[in-house]
Amino acid sequence: EPEVTQTPSHQVTQMGQEVILRCVPISNHLYFYWYRQILGQKVEFLVSFYNNEISEKSEIFDDQFSVERPDGSNFTLKIRSTKLEDSAMYFCASNPGRSSYNEQFFGPGTRLTVL
Amino acid sequence: AQKITQTQPGMFVQEKEAVTLDCTYDTSDPSYGLFWYKQPSSGEMIFLIYQGSYDQQNATEGRYSLNFQKARKSANLVISASQLGDSAMYFCAMREGYGNNRLAFGKGNQVVVIP
Repeated sequence: EPEVTQTPSHQVTQMGQEVILRCVPISNHLYFYWYRQILGQKVEFLVSFYNNEISEKSEIFDDQFSVERPDGSNFTLKIRSTKLEDSAMYFCASNPGRSSYNEQFFGPGTRLTVL
Repeated sequence: AQKITQTQPGMFVQEKEAVTLDCTYDTSDPSYGLFWYKQPSSGEMIFLIYQGSYDQQNATEGRYSLNFQKARKSANLVISASQLGDSAMYFCAMREGYGNNRLAFGKGNQVVVIP
Protein backbone atom coordinates (compact mmCIF):
# COMPACT_ATOMS: atom_id res chain seq x y z
CA GLU A 1 0.00 0.00 0.00
CA PRO A 2 1.40 3.43 -0.90
CA GLU A 3 2.59 5.53 2.00
CA VAL A 4 4.13 8.89 2.80
CA THR A 5 7.81 8.65 3.65
CA GLN A 6 10.00 11.13 5.52
CA THR A 7 13.73 11.51 5.97
CA PRO A 8 15.60 11.68 8.21
CA SER A 9 13.76 10.00 11.05
CA HIS A 10 15.78 12.03 13.56
CA GLN A 11 17.77 15.22 13.03
CA VAL A 12 19.93 16.91 15.62
CA THR A 13 21.16 20.42 14.89
CA GLN A 14 22.73 23.41 16.59
CA MET A 15 20.69 26.53 17.21
CA GLY A 16 21.02 28.93 14.30
CA GLN A 17 21.67 26.21 11.72
CA GLU A 18 19.50 25.56 8.70
CA VAL A 19 17.68 22.25 8.39
CA ILE A 20 15.78 20.67 5.53
CA LEU A 21 13.21 18.01 6.26
CA ARG A 22 12.25 15.80 3.37
CA CYS A 23 9.01 14.08 2.47
CA VAL A 24 7.85 11.93 -0.40
CA PRO A 25 4.04 12.15 -0.59
CA ILE A 26 1.90 9.44 -2.12
CA SER A 27 2.47 9.67 -5.85
CA ASN A 28 -0.96 10.64 -7.19
CA HIS A 29 -1.86 12.98 -4.36
CA LEU A 30 -2.37 16.66 -5.03
CA TYR A 31 -2.32 18.37 -1.61
CA PHE A 32 0.61 18.35 0.77
CA TYR A 33 0.92 19.51 4.36
CA TRP A 34 3.40 20.02 7.16
CA TYR A 35 2.37 19.71 10.80
CA ARG A 36 4.46 19.74 13.94
CA GLN A 37 4.03 18.27 17.39
CA ILE A 38 6.05 19.61 20.29
CA LEU A 39 6.72 16.84 22.79
CA GLY A 40 3.63 16.06 24.83
CA GLN A 41 1.45 18.55 22.99
CA LYS A 42 -1.11 18.47 20.23
CA VAL A 43 -0.40 18.36 16.53
CA GLU A 44 -0.31 21.84 14.97
CA PHE A 45 -0.80 22.79 11.33
CA LEU A 46 2.04 24.65 9.65
CA VAL A 47 1.35 24.91 5.93
CA SER A 48 -0.53 23.38 3.01
CA PHE A 49 0.69 23.26 -0.59
CA TYR A 50 -1.14 22.76 -3.85
CA ASN A 51 -0.27 23.28 -7.47
CA ASN A 52 3.27 24.38 -6.59
CA GLU A 53 2.29 27.10 -4.20
CA ILE A 54 1.29 27.60 -0.61
CA SER A 55 -2.48 27.43 -0.23
CA GLU A 56 -2.65 28.14 3.49
CA LYS A 57 -0.25 28.75 6.35
CA SER A 58 -0.58 29.19 10.09
CA GLU A 59 0.84 31.92 12.30
CA ILE A 60 3.63 29.52 13.27
CA PHE A 61 4.87 29.46 9.66
CA ASP A 62 6.88 32.67 9.71
CA ASP A 63 9.73 33.87 7.50
CA GLN A 64 12.08 31.28 8.99
CA PHE A 65 10.10 28.52 7.29
CA SER A 66 9.78 27.70 3.62
CA VAL A 67 8.46 24.80 1.59
CA GLU A 68 9.37 23.56 -1.82
CA ARG A 69 8.52 20.81 -4.25
CA PRO A 70 11.83 20.68 -6.11
CA ASP A 71 10.84 17.79 -8.36
CA GLY A 72 7.86 15.57 -9.03
CA SER A 73 8.22 13.54 -5.87
CA ASN A 74 9.87 15.41 -2.98
CA PHE A 75 8.26 17.97 -0.71
CA THR A 76 10.61 19.78 1.66
CA LEU A 77 10.35 21.98 4.72
CA LYS A 78 13.28 24.31 5.37
CA ILE A 79 13.92 26.08 8.65
CA ARG A 80 16.46 28.81 7.97
CA SER A 81 17.86 29.50 11.44
CA THR A 82 16.66 27.01 13.98
CA LYS A 83 15.65 27.99 17.50
CA LEU A 84 15.41 25.82 20.59
CA GLU A 85 11.62 26.01 20.39
CA ASP A 86 11.67 24.43 16.92
CA SER A 87 12.42 21.11 18.58
CA ALA A 88 9.44 18.93 17.70
CA MET A 89 8.20 16.04 15.61
CA TYR A 90 7.45 17.25 12.10
CA PHE A 91 4.85 15.36 10.11
CA CYS A 92 4.28 15.53 6.40
CA ALA A 93 0.85 14.57 5.07
CA SER A 94 -0.81 14.30 1.69
CA ASN A 95 -4.30 13.82 0.37
CA PRO A 96 -5.69 12.89 -3.03
CA GLY A 97 -7.71 16.09 -3.37
CA ARG A 98 -10.42 14.53 -5.46
CA SER A 99 -13.51 14.41 -3.23
CA SER A 100 -15.22 16.29 -0.46
CA TYR A 101 -13.88 13.74 1.99
CA ASN A 102 -10.13 13.56 1.88
CA GLU A 103 -8.24 11.66 4.49
CA GLN A 104 -4.84 13.13 5.14
CA PHE A 105 -2.22 10.38 5.07
CA PHE A 106 0.58 11.08 7.50
CA GLY A 107 4.22 10.12 7.21
CA PRO A 108 6.12 8.62 10.16
CA GLY A 109 7.56 12.00 11.18
CA THR A 110 11.00 13.55 11.60
CA ARG A 111 12.06 14.26 15.15
CA LEU A 112 14.03 17.51 15.16
CA THR A 113 16.20 18.30 18.17
CA VAL A 114 17.76 21.76 18.36
CA LEU A 115 20.63 22.10 20.84
CA ALA B 1 -10.58 29.48 20.92
CA GLN B 2 -10.17 25.73 21.00
CA LYS B 3 -11.68 24.04 17.98
CA ILE B 4 -11.34 20.53 19.38
CA THR B 5 -11.59 19.64 23.06
CA GLN B 6 -10.42 16.39 24.54
CA THR B 7 -10.34 16.66 28.31
CA GLN B 8 -10.26 13.13 29.66
CA PRO B 9 -7.23 12.21 31.74
CA GLY B 10 -5.29 9.07 30.89
CA MET B 11 -7.48 6.00 30.83
CA PHE B 12 -6.84 2.42 31.80
CA VAL B 13 -9.06 -0.17 30.19
CA GLN B 14 -9.21 -3.91 30.66
CA GLU B 15 -8.43 -6.04 27.63
CA LYS B 16 -11.60 -7.05 25.75
CA GLU B 17 -13.60 -4.22 27.30
CA ALA B 18 -14.96 -1.25 25.33
CA VAL B 19 -13.68 2.30 25.85
CA THR B 20 -15.19 5.63 24.83
CA LEU B 21 -13.01 8.64 24.12
CA ASP B 22 -14.70 12.03 24.27
CA CYS B 23 -14.31 14.78 21.69
CA THR B 24 -16.25 18.01 21.37
CA TYR B 25 -15.75 20.51 18.60
CA ASP B 26 -16.57 24.09 17.79
CA THR B 27 -17.33 25.41 14.34
CA SER B 28 -19.83 27.65 12.61
CA ASP B 29 -19.15 26.08 9.21
CA PRO B 30 -22.02 23.77 8.17
CA SER B 31 -19.60 21.60 6.19
CA TYR B 32 -16.88 19.87 8.17
CA GLY B 33 -15.24 16.51 8.73
CA LEU B 34 -14.17 14.81 11.92
CA PHE B 35 -11.25 12.41 12.12
CA TRP B 36 -9.70 10.18 14.74
CA TYR B 37 -6.02 9.28 14.62
CA LYS B 38 -4.04 6.86 16.76
CA GLN B 39 -0.47 7.64 17.79
CA PRO B 40 1.39 4.71 19.35
CA SER B 41 4.60 5.23 21.29
CA SER B 42 6.58 4.88 18.05
CA GLY B 43 5.14 8.28 17.03
CA GLU B 44 3.41 7.74 13.70
CA MET B 45 -0.14 9.02 13.10
CA ILE B 46 -2.54 6.30 12.03
CA PHE B 47 -5.94 7.22 10.58
CA LEU B 48 -8.82 5.36 12.23
CA ILE B 49 -12.18 6.76 11.21
CA TYR B 50 -13.94 9.69 9.54
CA GLN B 51 -17.35 11.33 9.99
CA GLY B 52 -18.71 13.97 7.64
CA SER B 53 -21.06 16.65 8.94
CA TYR B 54 -23.77 15.64 6.50
CA ASP B 55 -23.46 11.91 7.08
CA GLN B 56 -26.70 10.51 8.45
CA GLN B 57 -25.19 7.35 9.89
CA ASN B 58 -22.50 7.06 12.52
CA ALA B 59 -19.23 5.90 11.00
CA THR B 60 -17.86 2.45 11.78
CA GLU B 61 -14.55 0.83 10.87
CA GLY B 62 -14.02 -2.61 12.33
CA ARG B 63 -13.72 -2.24 16.10
CA TYR B 64 -13.93 1.56 15.86
CA SER B 65 -17.18 3.46 15.82
CA LEU B 66 -17.91 7.13 16.06
CA ASN B 67 -20.81 8.36 18.17
CA PHE B 68 -21.69 11.54 16.29
CA GLN B 69 -24.11 13.88 18.07
CA LYS B 70 -24.31 16.91 15.84
CA ALA B 71 -26.55 19.05 18.05
CA ARG B 72 -24.18 18.56 20.96
CA LYS B 73 -21.12 18.97 18.72
CA SER B 74 -19.57 15.79 19.95
CA ALA B 75 -17.79 12.98 18.08
CA ASN B 76 -16.82 10.34 20.57
CA LEU B 77 -14.72 7.36 19.52
CA VAL B 78 -15.73 3.94 20.77
CA ILE B 79 -13.19 1.13 20.66
CA SER B 80 -14.80 -2.23 21.24
CA ALA B 81 -13.05 -5.37 22.47
CA SER B 82 -9.84 -3.54 23.41
CA GLN B 83 -6.53 -5.18 22.59
CA LEU B 84 -3.09 -4.60 24.09
CA GLY B 85 -2.06 -3.02 20.78
CA ASP B 86 -4.68 -0.31 21.29
CA SER B 87 -2.50 1.33 23.94
CA ALA B 88 -1.70 4.72 22.42
CA MET B 89 -2.61 8.40 22.27
CA TYR B 90 -5.80 9.10 20.35
CA PHE B 91 -6.34 12.43 18.65
CA CYS B 92 -9.60 13.88 17.43
CA ALA B 93 -9.28 16.33 14.52
CA MET B 94 -11.60 18.52 12.49
CA ARG B 95 -11.45 19.85 8.97
CA GLU B 96 -13.66 22.87 8.36
CA GLY B 97 -15.06 23.47 4.91
CA TYR B 98 -13.85 21.53 1.90
CA GLY B 99 -11.83 18.35 1.79
CA ASN B 100 -8.40 19.90 1.42
CA ASN B 101 -8.29 22.32 4.31
CA ARG B 102 -6.10 22.01 7.35
CA LEU B 103 -6.83 19.69 10.24
CA ALA B 104 -7.19 21.13 13.73
CA PHE B 105 -6.26 18.61 16.42
CA GLY B 106 -7.26 18.17 20.03
CA LYS B 107 -4.74 17.50 22.79
CA GLY B 108 -5.35 13.77 22.72
CA ASN B 109 -6.48 10.99 25.03
CA GLN B 110 -3.98 8.51 26.46
CA VAL B 111 -5.29 4.94 26.60
CA VAL B 112 -3.52 2.05 28.30
CA VAL B 113 -4.96 -1.41 27.84
CA ILE B 114 -4.19 -3.80 30.69
CA PRO B 115 -4.34 -7.59 30.44
